[in-house]
Amino acid sequence: NAGVMQNPRHLVRRRGQEARLRCSPMKGHSHVYWYRQLPEEGLKFMVYLQKENIIDESGMPKERFSAEFPKEGPSILRIQQVVRGDSAAYFCASSPPGQVNAPQHFGDGTRLSIL
Amino acid sequence: QKEVEQDPGPLSVPEGAIVSLNCTYSNSAFQYFMWYRQYSRKGPELLMYTYSSGNKEDGRFTAQVDKSSKYISLFIRDSQPSDSATYLCAMGRAGANSKLTFGKGITLSVRP
Repeated sequence: NAGVMQNPRHLVRRRGQEARLRCSPMKGHSHVYWYRQLPEEGLKFMVYLQKENIIDESGMPKERFSAEFPKEGPSILRIQQVVRGDSAAYFCASSPPGQVNAPQHFGDGTRLSIL
Repeated sequence: QKEVEQDPGPLSVPEGAIVSLNCTYSNSAFQYFMWYRQYSRKGPELLMYTYSSGNKEDGRFTAQVDKSSKYISLFIRDSQPSDSATYLCAMGRAGANSKLTFGKGITLSVRP
């Protein structure tokens, strides 16, 4: 399945550490979206990126969170100085270029646990 | 009022039953609609994608959209134990690739 690849699948961090989550989109896709899923909650949009550009970061917390999608390599969601409330499943989705409102395809997520 | 409301669960049905899953929304800017299925510890898997009012059928699944009532449904015919999963409705605005807004999801269990 040459789908959206996320790693690591599970990540454990202590409070105050940094977490880096990686996402490789489906082959041929150049649009990447990050969502967060808290227990008993639906997925919440965080950020939408194209290569080297942040298009919409309206769902991203203003502090400690950042995202990038460099020209080469995967998209990275970075959380600095993690706190217990950051514990969640983080999902990445991708869609192809040139198609307005193309459906988004998701990876299997990174489950972040904060000790 | 939340932008997207999804019927709360969980829902348990016997094998072979017809299942109806529903979502309502308040934002008329939503123009395209999706249903995703999510198995435990996995990512959402796209089941149905629709852009207009009416019905769309794919095998045992039918998606229904009523934009005038701001109401969408997913019907599953001849439900199978393998359909046991969480079902999420999602919506997006027209005109450009953009964020999806999801319902909370409903967990379906199909009993053999």
